[in-house]
Amino acid sequence: EIVLTQSPGTLSLSPGERATLSCRASQSVSSIYLAWYQQKPGQAPRRLIYGASSRATGIPDRFSGSGSGTDFTLTISRLEPEDFAVYYCQHYGSSSTFGQGTKVEIK
Amino acid sequence: EVQLVESGGGLEQPGGSLRLSCAASGFPFSSYAMNWVRQAPGKGLEWVSTVSGSGVNTYYADSVKGRFTISRDNSKDTLYLQMNSLRAGDTALYYCAKGGSGSYDSWGQGTLVTVSS
Repeated sequence: EIVLTQSPGTLSLSPGERATLSCRASQSVSSIYLAWYQQKPGQAPRRLIYGASSRATGIPDRFSGSGSGTDFTLTISRLEPEDFAVYYCQHYGSSSTFGQGTKVEIK
Repeated sequence: EVQLVESGGGLEQPGGSLRLSCAASGFPFSSYAMNWVRQAPGKGLEWVSTVSGSGVNTYYADSVKGRFTISRDNSKDTLYLQMNSLRAGDTALYYCAKGGSGSYDSWGQGTLVTVSS
């Protein structure tokens, strides 16, 4: 079973700053099967990135994904007020697993 | 517009059963795999189960294998999750999610399941 470990647990930043979120897999995974989601309080998750680096429909280009093998990154180039939320990475396929999440909070 | 509306949650005693439903609209339902994901209060996301578009292939998390059954009725555009032998640890908000490019491109708002005596 693949385990995804996200770091840091919490990221305290100011609007306008750059956010870098990490997702590390317990074994090498195909980048085709790596996604990122955003979840705000009281809302369902929203897909941001799939295939490690493809932005989902309607997602602003300040969000970008990268990585391969065991190390993947979600970058938010300049934080907007609406970007403060919890972010999850996911490995998907016939089965799936999520990381434990990174909370991006206002500093 | 894709819409996914879950229902069937509620309060159930340990050992009891519930059946969740997810009514889908806005896309060719039978063409897409569908998924259940749950989130315990204040916790992260946990994948529960996936069913292929035809309904033939099903997959489960170890935590629910043998107790939960995923199914779909493509004539009714509806996804189901039959949950038996419920435990306190099954308490969560249950989301249905549409597969898209393998990942989950649309989510419902969830239905809350509480297992307590």
